[in-house]
Amino acid sequence: EDQVTQSPEALRLQEGESSSLNCSYTVSGLRGLFWYRQDPGKGPEFLFTLYSAGEEKEKERLKATLTKKESFLHITAPKPEDSATYLCAVQGTVGYNKLIFGAGTRLAVHP
Amino acid sequence: GAVVSQHPSWVICKSGTSVKIECRSLDFQATTMFWYRQFPKQSLMLMATSNEGSKATYEQGVEKDKFLINHASLTLSTLTVTSAHPEDSSFYICSATTSGRETQYFGPGTRLLVL
Repeated sequence: EDQVTQSPEALRLQEGESSSLNCSYTVSGLRGLFWYRQDPGKGPEFLFTLYSAGEEKEKERLKATLTKKESFLHITAPKPEDSATYLCAVQGTVGYNKLIFGAGTRLAVHP
Repeated sequence: GAVVSQHPSWVICKSGTSVKIECRSLDFQATTMFWYRQFPKQSLMLMATSNEGSKATYEQGVEKDKFLINHASLTLSTLTVTSAHPEDSSFYICSATTSGRETQYFGPGTRLLVL
């Protein structure tokens, strides 16, 4: 069964304090791994898609990496506006286009 | 690009009434749309997948006669919650994707409160 586990559940950082969020997954054939950002009361906002182990993608202070078992979302020198819930999801080769979401990591960045 | 809208953004209704939520892809043709439900401090749970012109595929445990999904065009899908009850109160979010692309783009969500 496809499964996604995110850790930590919640993370509190000081502004400028870099850290990483973890997404561990098991899937029967990976089509893609996705990172989304969700602000309270809003829909998820697309950040990255990763397709194969070793792939990396960057956007501003965020960098996503992928191995065969997990993905990391690195946040460099975060700002308070980076506070949000970060969701990881996988899409397997079975169940066309269906996403399996993790529970998310709630990030709070304090000035 | 890849903008998805939902209407209404929030709705309050009485128990026993039906509520319709619209999901539109504004700048692309959505061959597949998805409907999710999210309870407070929980992640998204897929309810159903709909392809344009076909019947929706519902996830296990989701009542197809209660949550009616119509995907009549490449830019519009609707979710109708029939005979709504307080336990149906939740945040409903749609997403859309187009043929050949794996990434799902999400709408802003609709908050439903059933009294």
